[in-house]
Amino acid sequence: ETGVTQTPRHLVMGMTNKKSLKCEQHLGHNAMYWYKQSAKKPLELMFVYSLEERVENNSVPSRFSPECPNSSHLFLHLHTLQPEDSALYLCASSHDRSNQPQHFGDGTRLSIL
Amino acid sequence: DQQVKQNSPSLSVQEGRISILNCDYTNSMFDYFLWYKKYPAEGPTFLISISSIKDKNEDGRFTVFLNKSAKHLSLHIVPSQPGDSAVYFCAASRNYGGSQGNLIFGKGTKLSVKP
Repeated sequence: ETGVTQTPRHLVMGMTNKKSLKCEQHLGHNAMYWYKQSAKKPLELMFVYSLEERVENNSVPSRFSPECPNSSHLFLHLHTLQPEDSALYLCASSHDRSNQPQHFGDGTRLSIL
Repeated sequence: DQQVKQNSPSLSVQEGRISILNCDYTNSMFDYFLWYKKYPAEGPTFLISISSIKDKNEDGRFTVFLNKSAKHLSLHIVPSQPGDSAVYFCAASRNYGGSQGNLIFGKGTKLSVKP
């Protein structure tokens, strides 16, 4: 398997649930990213990990908690989400944080009831 | 305020003709620019990039032009094919500072190529 894989592809959860989004990359990259895409808005960067260390948190609420156990895996733990958190969540990776193209997964479509 | 703007939400072109997608940016510190293509239910796919030291980069049917003085870049697709129908995102980044490598995206332009 190659590229960036995200699971699940679709997730419906209540506001009191706890769930996790998973991202796995098989490209040998050292940097991984979480983005949020809401309707009619540009992709918004949420978190950046470089060599398994979080290097950026883009003013994201604490109900989103990322985890990067190794350079190939990235998680986004969700708890007590709000309806406005319904969006497409995209994971990406790149060789490093210099000017390199980022490679994206197909995203998780999240709906909060 | 948006740092990367794609002012045309949609564009319709006849097959075989040229498609020109435009993008404007406001931050003069950006030094790397990319175009991504996105089909429904898929993630964005990297298409082509350009460094600020160049004003043109070509890859097959795709050419990106950069006008730094105008803070404007464009993507030309020649000839356009029905399979090019997708949403195209412009993105920009800078290679230094605390936000090194972070991509700032435009809202996208939906291209429809009619047979």
